[in-house]
Amino acid sequence: DIVMTQSPDSLAVSLGERATINCKSSQSVLYSSNNRNYLAWYQQKPGQPPKLLIYWASTRESGVPDRFSGSGSGTDFTLTITSLQAEDVAVYYCQQYYSALTFGGGTKVEIK
Amino acid sequence: EVQLVESGGGLVKPGGCLRLSCEASGFTFTNAWMSWVRQTPGKGLEWVGRIKSNADDGTTDYAAVVKGRFTISRDDSKNTLYLQMNSLKTEDTAVYYCTSLMVRGIINYWGQGTLVTVSS
Repeated sequence: DIVMTQSPDSLAVSLGERATINCKSSQSVLYSSNNRNYLAWYQQKPGQPPKLLIYWASTRESGVPDRFSGSGSGTDFTLTITSLQAEDVAVYYCQQYYSALTFGGGTKVEIK
Repeated sequence: EVQLVESGGGLVKPGGCLRLSCEASGFTFTNAWMSWVRQTPGKGLEWVGRIKSNADDGTTDYAAVVKGRFTISRDDSKNTLYLQMNSLKTEDTAVYYCTSLMVRGIINYWGQGTLVTVSS
């Protein structure tokens, strides 16, 4: 199984500042035949199911604000929230779909 | 509007069984790959398994921790997904989410979840 490791476990960021979440996979999730990274990011707010933010490592889902961006390739990925808003307080998960599906442990984002 | 509505959760003793259902609407269920994901209270997400559309051969695959105990099936005539859970263990206690998949493994829609508690 591909193991997904997120860091940090939690972070506190001031409103309007940048939040950066890292995700590392135990093996590459880059599929060479189509040069795509099989990596998604989700946001989960308290009492709600997760919501898809990013897929193919950097493609924003329809309706997701452009302050959310994904980057990285192979085994190392980053979710960046530029200019954090109050409504961005949530837990964020990365997930690989290269081989079955596995999730990272989550990163809790709070307001400083 | 896409809706995934789970039902069938509850309290069951270790070694017991339970069947969850998920009624789907707002999209073409017949063409959709579907999966179940669970979340332990206060903890992270764990994929349980998925089923392809019947047009894509309708096969299933499962996480190692549930393989041989859980079975995913679908009834396209009823737009309904099922999760049959046998030989339940205390560590299966979780909220179970029904999800639809976009392109094999991208989860584009989630239900609200149903709580399964395995306890004596």
